[in-house]
Amino acid sequence: GAVVSQHPSRVICKSGTSVKIECRSLDFQATTMFWYRQFPKQSLMLMATSNEGSKATYEQGVEKDKFLINHASLTLSTLTVTSAHPEDSSFYICSARDGITSDYNEQFFGPGTRLTVL
Amino acid sequence: SQKIEQNSEALNIQEGKTATLTCNYTNYSPAYLQWYRQDPGRGPVFLLLIRENEKEKRKERLKVTFDTTLKQSLFHITASQPADSATYLCALGGRGSTLGRLYFGRGTQLTVWP
Repeated sequence: GAVVSQHPSRVICKSGTSVKIECRSLDFQATTMFWYRQFPKQSLMLMATSNEGSKATYEQGVEKDKFLINHASLTLSTLTVTSAHPEDSSFYICSARDGITSDYNEQFFGPGTRLTVL
Repeated sequence: SQKIEQNSEALNIQEGKTATLTCNYTNYSPAYLQWYRQDPGRGPVFLLLIRENEKEKRKERLKVTFDTTLKQSLFHITASQPADSATYLCALGGRGSTLGRLYFGRGTQLTVWP
């Protein structure tokens, strides 16, 4: 099946620094990627939809200037958490959709990135 | 905004029994609904998709039903095994301008004991 990777899997940073998380589709082209955030024992919350070559669409309540998304190619999307604060500590998960070779509505998820801001 | 409720936070059953998980939703008409499995510290893994015009879908020991009138989906695992222990998430699929977006419930943690 389709594989999505994320890097890094875990990151610890100081408050005020910026952190970049990469999401890659390894064996398919992802025209659309999605970014989610999950707090302990909570549901995955959709943050934004990222389309290759265009600006991301953010969900209500998500600060676009704080969570910068770039989808520069059909296999790579990045999420940069700028000026991170302890409340940004969470599990960040990306997913990718391959609308060409599989069900248009099926998404493949990455393994997630655990961000801890001290 | 949409609200998704999964029947309980935790469900414990004995090996061999059928596990039934419930997903109820309000304030939304999803074009489709999906079920995922999530293990601790991992990303969700896709299990089944059912569209709004479908009543039931099966895949091996898994079965999902979808009642758009009741706004409810049931997810069944027959002949459950300890390896089925995980958190199961239901997700509503968007339509129109939100096509492709998924809105997740909090999940039900299933434990299958020998």
